[in-house]
Amino acid sequence: NAGVTQTPKFQVLKTGQSMTLQCAQDMNHNSMYWYRQDPGMGLRLIYYSASEGTTDKGEVPNGYNVSRLNKREFSLRLESAAPSQTSVYFCASSEWTGGNTEAFFGQGTRLTVV
Amino acid sequence: GNSVTQMEGPVTLSEEAFLTINCTYTATGYPSLFWYVQYPGEGLQLLLKATKADDKGSNKGFEATYRKETTSFHLEKGSVQVSDSAVYFCALSSSSGGSYIPTFGRGTSLIVHP
Repeated sequence: NAGVTQTPKFQVLKTGQSMTLQCAQDMNHNSMYWYRQDPGMGLRLIYYSASEGTTDKGEVPNGYNVSRLNKREFSLRLESAAPSQTSVYFCASSEWTGGNTEAFFGQGTRLTVV
Repeated sequence: GNSVTQMEGPVTLSEEAFLTINCTYTATGYPSLFWYVQYPGEGLQLLLKATKADDKGSNKGFEATYRKETTSFHLEKGSVQVSDSAVYFCALSSSSGGSYIPTFGRGTSLIVHP
């Protein structure tokens, strides 16, 4: 089972460049999320999509945009990368089933902005 | 809003020692509680979960009990192994405006020495 697939796994950007992080899940989940992980900060929610066609801001949305392309895919875009966006980015998906909302994670994208 | 507080690390133990990682939470309603584990270079994966008060989640020798009266979900293992070295995240999931958004603690790094 593929689960949640993120691409790319590693990326180096120059300040001001743009890029899109791709995420796809094959579990037919309605909800998808983008987190960033920084040392000492844990996981912080950037954006989420409760269902196809909806997106909402999380805790740290500034500098990012998202697109829920279809039920499977949820992309994260950096329009003008800044060094403060150097981080590990994780995509996750989940489905609410009678109280179980286990989140399934991708392997992460390690982004460095120089 | 929802929040999760877990003890700071790193926690350093010798093999076969007893492990406790404390976790407390603040949430509205009746959240589900989770422990996730992250091995180096990987995404998070579910370790165990509990969906209602007094439930005990268990997996791979790890246990945690959902204590509503103390709003806690402490992780324990009787005898740790070197292979348990990882970062452990406490998390909750509860309804927020019709969506179910996982909220994570900052993570606790566990280092087990032979």
